[in-house]
Amino acid sequence: NAGVTQTPKFRVLKTGQSMTLLCAQDMNHEYMYWYRQDPGMGLRLIHYSVGEGTTAKGEVPDGYNVSRLKKQNFLLGLESAAPSQTSVYFCASSFIGRNTEAFFGQGTRLTVV
Amino acid sequence: AQRVTQPEKLLSVFKGAPVELKCNYSYSGSPELFWYVQYSRQRLQLLLRHISRESIKGFTADLNKGETSFHLKKPFAQEEDSAMYYCALKVNSGYALNFGKGTSLLVTP
Repeated sequence: NAGVTQTPKFRVLKTGQSMTLLCAQDMNHEYMYWYRQDPGMGLRLIHYSVGEGTTAKGEVPDGYNVSRLKKQNFLLGLESAAPSQTSVYFCASSFIGRNTEAFFGQGTRLTVV
Repeated sequence: AQRVTQPEKLLSVFKGAPVELKCNYSYSGSPELFWYVQYSRQRLQLLLRHISRESIKGFTADLNKGETSFHLKKPFAQEEDSAMYYCALKVNSGYALNFGKGTSLLVTP
């Protein structure tokens, strides 16, 4: 009963490096989301997906790309990391519909130096 | 534009005191509102949703459409209630959650 699992849990990058964060869910959810959490800013939506093969931009998409090749996985990529991308990243998933609960991963703490 | 406002960054109360975490929203449609909680070193989890009108861990929240508010209340705070609380509004775009900036609740003995 894993729920939503994020890999890795921690990462330190140098400016300009690239990396991919993996989110996997085993609840057969249609919707998946990537948020970033920063002090005093709450959670802000980066990108989301409403189904396999589809993605869309959220509130703060610049500097990130995503892919959803399989229903259970949602990847977040940083092509050229910047210190402004230092944050805690949360993945979430949910079923379609109003008032459905979103289930969150445990977070990935990323530091860009 | 949809917006969720939590005016208090930090709320400190004594154990046994009543607590109210404020949430106001702006949305032209029919709102779907939630409270999520994040305990220290844990993932966010759902606490309440307005449609359920339920009480979880002694917390309740009533949707007031006239005041566009969804305040979270508990009559007697406990130390284990110390956490970060987020009010969230579900919007039409992929049914993503639009979060407020959060209120850190500290319950002291």
